[in-house]
Amino acid sequence: DVKVTQSSRYLVKRTGEKVFLECVQDMDHENMFWYRQDPGLGLRLIYFSYDVKMKEKGDIPEGYSVSREKKERFSLILESASTNQTSMYLCASSSGTSGYTFGSGTRLTVV
Amino acid sequence: ILNVEQSPQSLHVQEGDSTNFTCSFPSSNFYALHWYRWETAKSPEALFVMTLNGDEKKKGRISATLNTKEGYSYLYIKGSQPEDSATYLCASVYGGATNKLIFGTGTLLAVQP
Repeated sequence: DVKVTQSSRYLVKRTGEKVFLECVQDMDHENMFWYRQDPGLGLRLIYFSYDVKMKEKGDIPEGYSVSREKKERFSLILESASTNQTSMYLCASSSGTSGYTFGSGTRLTVV
Repeated sequence: ILNVEQSPQSLHVQEGDSTNFTCSFPSSNFYALHWYRWETAKSPEALFVMTLNGDEKKKGRISATLNTKEGYSYLYIKGSQPEDSATYLCASVYGGATNKLIFGTGTLLAVQP
């Protein structure tokens, strides 16, 4: 069964901490994406990547960075976590113009 | 930022009712439209990917239509069941060279037994 795996389901971090959210896919997909989901706002794109070592900003990249050193892994980094980054984070991957396969999400709370 | 809109925001129906909801998107430079179902505590699951004007797709009791000229898609559920309760997301793709989806805010469907 093909999968996108996010390392943590729930995470609680303190303001100012550096936070890493990990995403791994086993489908050899070239495209990977990070979204956050907030009530009333839908899914908003933070960063995406079309290839190893390649990254592009989405609609809300401020306060985030990403890393894609290997094709299967796409990491989202919160350089200095803030309370307004409390959210549900979803990773997804795709190949070509196929539909996305999503991970199960990480609910991050910053206190 | 391109805007994809869904209506209604939420919907409560009785088991057995048929229902439908709408996704509106800018029609210029359109490439594809996706529908996803997102059940609580699970990952969003792809339902349909549609590209051609007049496309109609069906999966069991769920079907979708696409009008690219006027920029809308309808999702229909026939004979709703409690297990259909979920958030239904649509997303649009612009430009043939990319696979970047712009999501709507979703329609939350609750089916009462």
